[in-house]
Amino acid sequence: QKEVEQNSGPLSVPEGAIASLNCTYSDRGSQSFFWYRQYSGKSPELIMFIYSNGDKEDGRFTAQLNKASQYVSLLIRDSQPSDSATYLCAADYNDKIIFGKGTRLHILP
Amino acid sequence: DTGVSQDPRHKITKRGQNVTFRCDPISEHNRLYWYRQTLGQGPEFLTYFQNEAQLEKSRLLSDRFSAERPKGSFSTLEIQRTEQGDSAMYLCASSLAGGTFTAKNIQYFGAGTRLSVL
Repeated sequence: QKEVEQNSGPLSVPEGAIASLNCTYSDRGSQSFFWYRQYSGKSPELIMFIYSNGDKEDGRFTAQLNKASQYVSLLIRDSQPSDSATYLCAADYNDKIIFGKGTRLHILP
Repeated sequence: DTGVSQDPRHKITKRGQNVTFRCDPISEHNRLYWYRQTLGQGPEFLTYFQNEAQLEKSRLLSDRFSAERPKGSFSTLEIQRTEQGDSAMYLCASSLAGGTFTAKNIQYFGAGTRLSVL
């Protein structure tokens, strides 16, 4: 059973601080990983994708991948109230995307 | 192109009725995925198409569910004899297969169809 595991939260972070979201996956065969943001009642929106070990930065967001530890993370710098949402981690297993249950993030003003 | 389009946005039906949802993908995308999402869960894979071919269907999907993509463009998802447990958000996503690896299978979602079975 291919799985993606996330802490459901909620994770509460003060405004302006760094939010750190984590994810583990079960199958070493996965090549690509994704972070989606989902506001309540809305559909998922792609934030980042990563397929190489190491860090990938895009604005306030940094994705980190460690294939040896089967671990993916997302850092959000200078957190804003608008970042409050559920963050979904996903892994591509032979073209089938498996999602975690998501981590709820609350940015405290 | 304005993105992935789903219709209807909301559907309320009585138990036992059949329902059909439509998804129009991003025009240059050759892959189309269907997911189901319930409260507090991530999207659950149902099935996907590459062009008109249905390449995989979840083992969790009962025979009451069927999907088509007849001309490799839009897709329909039909649920026959709906049950209260079918109440969920049904999401469609599209992606481009065969591109550069950096763009491989990045999926873009539609707004979803929220189904309520009474």
